[in-house]
Amino acid sequence: GDSVTQMEGPVTLSEEAFLTINCTYTATGYPSLFWYVQYPGEGLQLLLKATKADDKGSNKGFEATYRKETTSFHLEKGSVQVSDSAVYFCALLNSGGGADGLTFGKGTHLIIQP
Amino acid sequence: NAGVTQTPKFRVLKTGQSMTLLCAQDMNHEYMYWYRQDPGMGLRLIHYSVGEGTTAKGEVPDGYNVSRLKKQNFLLGLESAAPSQTSVYFCASSYRSARSYEQYFGPGTRLTVT
Repeated sequence: GDSVTQMEGPVTLSEEAFLTINCTYTATGYPSLFWYVQYPGEGLQLLLKATKADDKGSNKGFEATYRKETTSFHLEKGSVQVSDSAVYFCALLNSGGGADGLTFGKGTHLIIQP
Repeated sequence: NAGVTQTPKFRVLKTGQSMTLLCAQDMNHEYMYWYRQDPGMGLRLIHYSVGEGTTAKGEVPDGYNVSRLKKQNFLLGLESAAPSQTSVYFCASSYRSARSYEQYFGPGTRLTVT
């Protein structure tokens, strides 16, 4: 079945550091890929998405490129802020049949220190 | 426009008790979903609905029942709660299939079964 693997956390960085959170996936067909962010005590919010190979999703300074050859969708940001502290989830939605819901990774807790 | 709301926010049950979680959305979305989130794991799809009067099983449906009698509401029932159902439950909705439209998440319900 489909699966998403992302780096274990917590990841602790200083403000203005460069961020990479790795995400790889296993899926049949041609999935769409997503990054969601969860701030403390809140539900998940869509951060960015990409629907086909070589697409780049971007939002709020975050970027991720859909790499079919490496089955990856790594999240990057050039200069993180304290307000970026949250849990980040990589997810996929398969284009084939089956349930319509998302398949999520386990989440990466990001902590940004001033 | 409240988005996706969930009732209750917190609940403690004894093993064997029953309860219903309510999800409501005011965005006229066709699709609604129930996920559970457990420590160290991503969200997992329990059940979903592609329209009023329809429901379908997700990845982890056992021990849960759902109903979608009204378009704006999606109910998740636990007939006989078990400690393994201790989790945070998230509801989500989307205009149509999540393959094309963003899923919007509620704030979650934290359920503890003792």
